[in-house]
Amino acid sequence: NAGVTQTPKFQVLKTGQSMTLQCAQDMNHEYMSWYRQDPGMGLRLIHYSVGAGITDQGEVPNGYNVSRSTTEDFPLRLLSAAPSQTSVYFCASSYSGSNTGELFFGEGSRLTVL
Amino acid sequence: DQQVKQNSPSLSVQEGRISILNCDYTNSMFDYFLWYKKYPAEGPTFLISISSIKDKNEDGRFTVFLNKSAKHLSLHIVPSQPGDSAVYFCAASDGEYSGGGADGLTFGKGTHLIIQP
Repeated sequence: NAGVTQTPKFQVLKTGQSMTLQCAQDMNHEYMSWYRQDPGMGLRLIHYSVGAGITDQGEVPNGYNVSRSTTEDFPLRLLSAAPSQTSVYFCASSYSGSNTGELFFGEGSRLTVL
Repeated sequence: DQQVKQNSPSLSVQEGRISILNCDYTNSMFDYFLWYKKYPAEGPTFLISISSIKDKNEDGRFTVFLNKSAKHLSLHIVPSQPGDSAVYFCAASDGEYSGGGADGLTFGKGTHLIIQP
């Protein structure tokens, strides 16, 4: 069981370039979300989705777009990369029947914007 | 405005002793609290959670205590083992879809636990 898969694991971009971080889960979870982790900042919510076709903004959504066309996939798009978006990005999923509130995280995507 | 605070960036504990990690929160609407463990270059993994209707939850060596009046929770690890060395994040949920983390969790900055042999 693969769980939550993120690609790429590492990426270097130049300022102004665009790219998409991919996230896929094979657990049939309804809920998916994206977080970024910066040194000394913990994890901050970027965008989330409670089901296919439904997305909403989190704490730090500026500069990012998401879509949820299928239950399995939740890509994160950087429209015009900026150095402030240098970070480690984590995708997570969860299901409505959870009695623990557990999120399942991917291994992360480390992005550097020059 | 930081709604979930972990005021100790690091904590060093001797193997076999008790580790106590603390977390404070400011949002009274939080109704679910979770602890995650993170090793370097890996994603966070769920450890234990507690609903606001409880004051204690236990799972093996891990116990979480919740004091709602003080807006404080703590994670106890007994006995501490070398494999417990990691960064521990406290997280909270206040959303419509509480418990499932559907509309996201608010995380603290983490505490780096170091277990010394």
